[in-house]
Amino acid sequence: GEDVEQSLFLSVREGDSSVINCTYTDSSSTYLYWYKQEPGAGLQLLTYIFSNMDMKQDQRLTVLLNKKDKHLSLRIADTQTGDSAIYFCADFSGGYNKLIFGAGTRLAVHP
Amino acid sequence: DAMVIQNPRYQVTQFGKPVTLSCSQTLNHNVMYWYQQKSSQAPKLLFHYYDKDFNNEADTPDNFQSRRPNTSFCFLDIRSPGLGDAAMYLCATSGLGAGGPETQYFGPGTRLLVL
Repeated sequence: GEDVEQSLFLSVREGDSSVINCTYTDSSSTYLYWYKQEPGAGLQLLTYIFSNMDMKQDQRLTVLLNKKDKHLSLRIADTQTGDSAIYFCADFSGGYNKLIFGAGTRLAVHP
Repeated sequence: DAMVIQNPRYQVTQFGKPVTLSCSQTLNHNVMYWYQQKSSQAPKLLFHYYDKDFNNEADTPDNFQSRRPNTSFCFLDIRSPGLGDAAMYLCATSGLGAGGPETQYFGPGTRLLVL
């Protein structure tokens, strides 16, 4: 089946940039997503990128997509303590007609 | 604001006692999903409704059922909760709009505790 992988943990200093990486296997992806989950909360849609795009920027967030390597990244500029959360990469699998989630990357922001 | 609402936010039930979780949406989306999320794991899709068409995931236990009486509401019924069913249950919707029809919007979740 289709698979999405991401590193489990990232620690950054407040004010630095964070880069969370994700790889996927689906060749028929249409949209790829980044969701944020704070403790005890639901998933918040942060941003998404259509598969025919290479980059998308939205305020402090920059998404880069390398279709050849099936690699997606999320860069958060000027990381703040409020950015501490779990970030899920997800791929809409056309073959399975559902979202395939990575295991989530826990971002810890320290002073 | 258009949104996905889940009630209650916390639910405590007894082992074997049926429980119902509810989800409503004001997005007028035609697809509604139920996910189970256990601690430190990704959400796991249980089933979804495409309009009135029910689509069950192959590995969803029979203990889990769902109802969608109208576009706005969807319910998750757990017929005989076991200790292993304690989890966060997330409702999501998708439909026409920004991000395409596949983009899912999640509610805040209901955390279920089974005693």
